[in-house]
Amino acid sequence: QVQLVQSGAEVKKPGASVKVSCKASGYTFTSYDINWVRQATGQGLEWMGWMNPNSGNTGYAQKFQGRVTITRNTSISTAYMELSSLRSEDTAVYYCARGHYDSTAFDPWGQGTLVTVSS
Amino acid sequence: QSVLTQPPSASGTPGQRVTISCSGSSSNIGSNYVYWYQQLPGTAPKLLIYRNNQRPSGVPDRFSGSKSGTSASLAISGLRSEDEADYYCAAWDDSLRGLVFGGGTKLTVL
Repeated sequence: QVQLVQSGAEVKKPGASVKVSCKASGYTFTSYDINWVRQATGQGLEWMGWMNPNSGNTGYAQKFQGRVTITRNTSISTAYMELSSLRSEDTAVYYCARGHYDSTAFDPWGQGTLVTVSS
Repeated sequence: QSVLTQPPSASGTPGQRVTISCSGSSSNIGSNYVYWYQQLPGTAPKLLIYRNNQRPSGVPDRFSGSKSGTSASLAISGLRSEDEADYYCAAWDDSLRGLVFGGGTKLTVL
């Protein structure tokens, strides 16, 4: 079955960077966009950016421009999201999601990765 | 402050029909498709409606979406206890050049 499996929880200090992975299985990785969405505890969903795994083309939300980088390794069907200059407000669950019926119809989602930023 | 506006809460009794609204502007809902996601407690979101009113396979026909102008709605008929969840609308915003979400609506089944 189509599945996205993310890496485990991370604890980082303010100013550091975090890199979360998202391994795809059950479909051709290069055929569908991958998006990243985050959710702070008790808060709503916030879109961070997308990547075309075939071309490597990316697009980022204005809020995260210059701080987020989405990459991929097609040989292992894995996408990555790296967020730099972390601050406490970046503490959240980070999700990857496949653009299925179209680029913004996210299905399925990964299980989520909790990133905690604390000194 | 979310770009798309949803009521923070909604409720209904089993069997009832409930609607959740999502209000935007000409740069998002007014010119692009609307998507709806369901998030059960402690789980990742799940796609419920895409392209305004299309249901992915496996989503019951109790769920339906509609759009008019700069607003959209999600309707749930024959409400069931397992529908208790957070619901989010989303749409591409041409001005922001990014996907925007509503703040979410917590649905309680009484």
